[in-house]
Amino acid sequence: NAGVTQTPKFQVLKTGQSMTLQCAQDMNHNSMYWYRQDPGMGLRLIYYSASEGTTDKGEVPNGYNVSRLNKREFSLRLESAAPSQTSVYFCASSALRGTLHFGNGTRLTVT
Amino acid sequence: EDKVVQSPLSLVVHEGDTVTLNCSYEVTNFRSLLWYKQEKKAPTFLFMLTSSGIEKKSGRLSSILDKKELFSILNITATQTGDSAIYLCAVETSNSGNTPLVFGKGTRLSVIA
Repeated sequence: NAGVTQTPKFQVLKTGQSMTLQCAQDMNHNSMYWYRQDPGMGLRLIYYSASEGTTDKGEVPNGYNVSRLNKREFSLRLESAAPSQTSVYFCASSALRGTLHFGNGTRLTVT
Repeated sequence: EDKVVQSPLSLVVHEGDTVTLNCSYEVTNFRSLLWYKQEKKAPTFLFMLTSSGIEKKSGRLSSILDKKELFSILNITATQTGDSAIYLCAVETSNSGNTPLVFGKGTRLSVIA
């Protein structure tokens, strides 16, 4: 009964380091999303993938790249981390419309 | 630009109180409005509303949509400490393909004993 699985749960990076956040879903959903959540800012969309093979920018894509590796997996990469990218990152998936299923989040700190 | 505004941003109440959380929106091609509850980790789905005036209810929680005035409310009666969470409102549009949800900033509810 996994749903949406994100790894890692916590990460500390130094400015300039790179890393990839992994996300996998086992619900056979077409669409997957990456959000970041900062205090007082709600959930802001970074990138999304409406279906396997496609990706699109969201509200705050700068400094990030994504890969929709297959239908199950959608990764988020920070090429050169900055303190402004300190945040909690959520991956989500959905079927054709509406309800999002979220992972438990990755808490990232960039020093 | 699509916009979803929630109020209040934070709220502290005592156990047993009734609370009303507000969500207004300005979007093109509205399709549905959703409410999520976020405790410590992932947001979890509460309601999806598509039609005006039809109340959705689950236990002590209920929600209604007004498509003419472009808002929704989430009511919680007889609040309990377990209701303490961030409540997120999101709007789905049908602009193109599987358009992502637009979220409000959330209302942080604290219920004290």
